[in-house]
Amino acid sequence: DAGVTQSPTHLIKTRGQQVTLRCSPISGHKSVSWYQQVLGQGPQFIFQYYEKEERGRGNFPDRFSARQFPNYSSELNVNALLLGDSALYLCASSSRQHNTEAFFGQGTRLTVV
Amino acid sequence: DAKTTQPTSMDCAEGRAANLPCNHSTISGNEYVYWYRQIHSQGPQYIIHGLKNNETNEMASLIITEDRKSSTLILPHATLRDTAVYYCIVRVVGGNTPLVFGKGTRLSVIA
Repeated sequence: DAGVTQSPTHLIKTRGQQVTLRCSPISGHKSVSWYQQVLGQGPQFIFQYYEKEERGRGNFPDRFSARQFPNYSSELNVNALLLGDSALYLCASSSRQHNTEAFFGQGTRLTVV
Repeated sequence: DAKTTQPTSMDCAEGRAANLPCNHSTISGNEYVYWYRQIHSQGPQYIIHGLKNNETNEMASLIITEDRKSSTLILPHATLRDTAVYYCIVRVVGGNTPLVFGKGTRLSVIA
């Protein structure tokens, strides 16, 4: 079975641009969460979606938004990119809203120049 | 903020047991202890979790003290592939709580 897949794997953007990152959860998983990991730190929670509804939001500015589609895949959008948005963006899926084990993808490495 | 304290780094000889400590002195009665690890350039991987009893699976054992204020993750026979950052996380199960990662412990397994 395929695990959590994220695309693209690497991305370079210019300050002020917008970016969309994509995540396909494990088949049958209805919950998707997004995390940002800057170099040297642990991942930080951005959003959680379950059954296409936002169920949790971390301490990130409104430039960050996300959505979940009927097939449970998800997109993370970041507008007006800043240099500080450079990070590894991780997607995690789990089978239930009140997840126990979360399965992470390999991440998208975003570099803002 | 993370509710756990872990050593920044540890070394372990290949084939020996790796014992990774974690302090969580403010843990609540409804919070579980989770362990994840992150191998370089990969996403975090779930290892094990527990409430108050010791737990064992194919990857590791989790020993939680009776007062639940600390725990130890044990990798019984460490291999070079176990070199990673190990995160100890406390989390309420049954709510909408996300995983709150600290900086973890960087374990280096040495041949």
